Amino acid sequence: AQSVTQPDIHITVSEGASLELRCNYSYGATPYLFWYVQSPGQGLQLLLKYFSGDTLVQGIKGFEAEFKRSQSSFNLRKPSVHWSDAAEYFCAVGANSGYSTLTFGKGTMLLVSP
Amino acid sequence: GAVVSQHPSRVICKSGTSVKIECRSLDFQATTMFWYRQFPKQSLMLMATSNEGSKATYEQGVEKDKFLINHASLTLSTLTVTSAHPEDSSFYICSAARGTGELFFGEGSRLTVL
Repeated sequence: AQSVTQPDIHITVSEGASLELRCNYSYGATPYLFWYVQSPGQGLQLLLKYFSGDTLVQGIKGFEAEFKRSQSSFNLRKPSVHWSDAAEYFCAVGANSGYSTLTFGKGTMLLVSP
Repeated sequence: GAVVSQHPSRVICKSGTSVKIECRSLDFQATTMFWYRQFPKQSLMLMATSNEGSKATYEQGVEKDKFLINHASLTLSTLTVTSAHPEDSSFYICSAARGTGELFFGEGSRLTVL
């Protein structure tokens, strides 16, 4: 069975500083990997996804993530955090590109300090 | 981008009553919609897959008679929590799959059962 671990429940970053959110997955075959962001009281918005090809993927809002098969990781990064980035971030793994078999991590809450 | 809307965003009901939550895809037709439940500080747990014109497929451990799902049209799926109890209080999120397979999430509905 597939699983996702987001080791950090909360992370606080100063505005303008760089950000890395960790995600480790467990899946027996080639995974399809996703990062979503959820603002308070809102649904989820897709930031980026990895299906194949270049292991460094670019997403919306200046986010990027790198797939590292040897480490079973798909960490999310942003070079300079803005206050509006404060939200909850979910990593997800799927068995195919059809999204229907997504398994989500527990999420990491990002707090941005002035 | 594509929009999925849920209604109501918040609902409070008395124990023993039934509550209906609607999920609408506003600008595309969705043959498949998904219902999730999100507990505080937890990830999204897939409850069921809603297929237009056919019975929903429930995940293991989800009571079919408690959580009734109807997908009567290509733009609307409803989740009815029957005979609600305080333990059913949660944040319910739907998503709709567009033809490309990409998922779009609703804003979520917070149910509080007194």
